Amino acid sequence: GAGVSQSPRYKVAKRGQDVALRCDPISGHVSLFWYQQALGQGPEFLTYFQNEAQLDKSGLPSDRFFAERPEGSVSTLKIQRTQQEDSAVYLCASGVWGFSGNTIYFGEGSWLTVV
Amino acid sequence: DQQVKQNSPSLSVQEGRISILNCDYTNSMFDYFLWYKKYPAEGPTFLISISSIKDKNEDGRFTVFLNKSAKHLSLHIVPSQPGDSAVYFCAASADTGNQFYFGTGTSLTVIP
Repeated sequence: GAGVSQSPRYKVAKRGQDVALRCDPISGHVSLFWYQQALGQGPEFLTYFQNEAQLDKSGLPSDRFFAERPEGSVSTLKIQRTQQEDSAVYLCASGVWGFSGNTIYFGEGSWLTVV
Repeated sequence: DQQVKQNSPSLSVQEGRISILNCDYTNSMFDYFLWYKKYPAEGPTFLISISSIKDKNEDGRFTVFLNKSAKHLSLHIVPSQPGDSAVYFCAASADTGNQFYFGTGTSLTVIP
């Protein structure tokens, strides 16, 4: 497709369950970002990849969060032993460098509810 | 600490009038700024950007103004249309562009 694709769109997980969220970026985009957005807030940075290299994971809230992009294209965000505070929208974005900077384009998000 | 702030959670404007959405930032290292529009249950959609070497960028009905000394940017929509009703986020990054810092959003309602 032409845009960033995320799956699943909606996920309900029981507390303690592991979840995996998938992101298929725009073809050719080397930069890939994961963001977390809580209700009424702006997106908060989680992690950044350039191709397959994870260059910044400073936003991951705990060691229960893990992201990978093994072949420099599709990425997976994994959350282990989910907690209720993990309930949020998880947004993936991919980007391309322009003359003035990096513009990133978001997918529709994966809505996670932990019960 | 919120490095990008949108102090108006909501704004209502009559159709055809100008909408002005404001954004302030605290980090003087930020040099690239973007605006995104978000409809319910969708991801943010890129609207317009501006580099710190400019003070204005225009794209159709959308114009972004940057005042570096005041660490302030604004998005002007002229004329406003009902389809512009959405939440608008501003975002900022420093020269590496590895992180984008977002504001909390302003919900715009354009009244027909």
